[in-house]
Amino acid sequence: DGGITQSPKYLFRKEGQNVTLSCEQNLNHDAMYWYRQDPGQGLRLIYYSQIVNDFQKGDIAEGYSVSREKKESFPLTVTSAQKNPTAFYLCASSMRGGRDTQYFGPGTRLTVL
Amino acid sequence: DAKTTQPPSMDCAEGRAANLPCNHSTISGNEYVYWYRQIHSQGPQYIIHGLKNNETNEMASLIITEDRKSSTLILPHATLRDTAVYYCIVNAGGTSYGKLTFGQGTILTVHP
Repeated sequence: DGGITQSPKYLFRKEGQNVTLSCEQNLNHDAMYWYRQDPGQGLRLIYYSQIVNDFQKGDIAEGYSVSREKKESFPLTVTSAQKNPTAFYLCASSMRGGRDTQYFGPGTRLTVL
Repeated sequence: DAKTTQPPSMDCAEGRAANLPCNHSTISGNEYVYWYRQIHSQGPQYIIHGLKNNETNEMASLIITEDRKSSTLILPHATLRDTAVYYCIVNAGGTSYGKLTFGQGTILTVHP
């Protein structure tokens, strides 16, 4: 099956711990994105990557870090510097970025206790 | 990216057509209109997109007005599984690097 996978679906962490969310795609897409969604709100862009070994900050990058060492993988680390990390995190990919259609994974719901 | 305005909620009877409007009066010539939907606690699902011509696929039809300031997503025969939040988005790509700006969307409730 082609698509985007995110794991785990639910994640619980203690305050002050870093946590890494996984995102993998087998669509051969160049561009990948991370969004955050809070209850009743739209999505906000955290980071994006248009090609391997390159990534850029989105609108709310503070407290987050990413890497793009492989085309199919774009992990997101939520650091202890993120003041309000509890949220629904969504990964997306598109063929090249720009106006190309973005396809989303199922999401990871992170709860920091 | 141009902002969009959608009604906060709509109802539709099962089997009937659902017509979801979107205003994007400040859209520029190179911006596409995209529609996504999101069922609770799932990732957004792509539905359809267009530039200025009407578009149809297996899920829906997209009608864009001639002046491109508004559009309507049509689900021809709504089912209970179409209950979701529907987002209308305009995306220029280019210098906006493909960022999708999701607003509040329209909560569509399909009832029996």
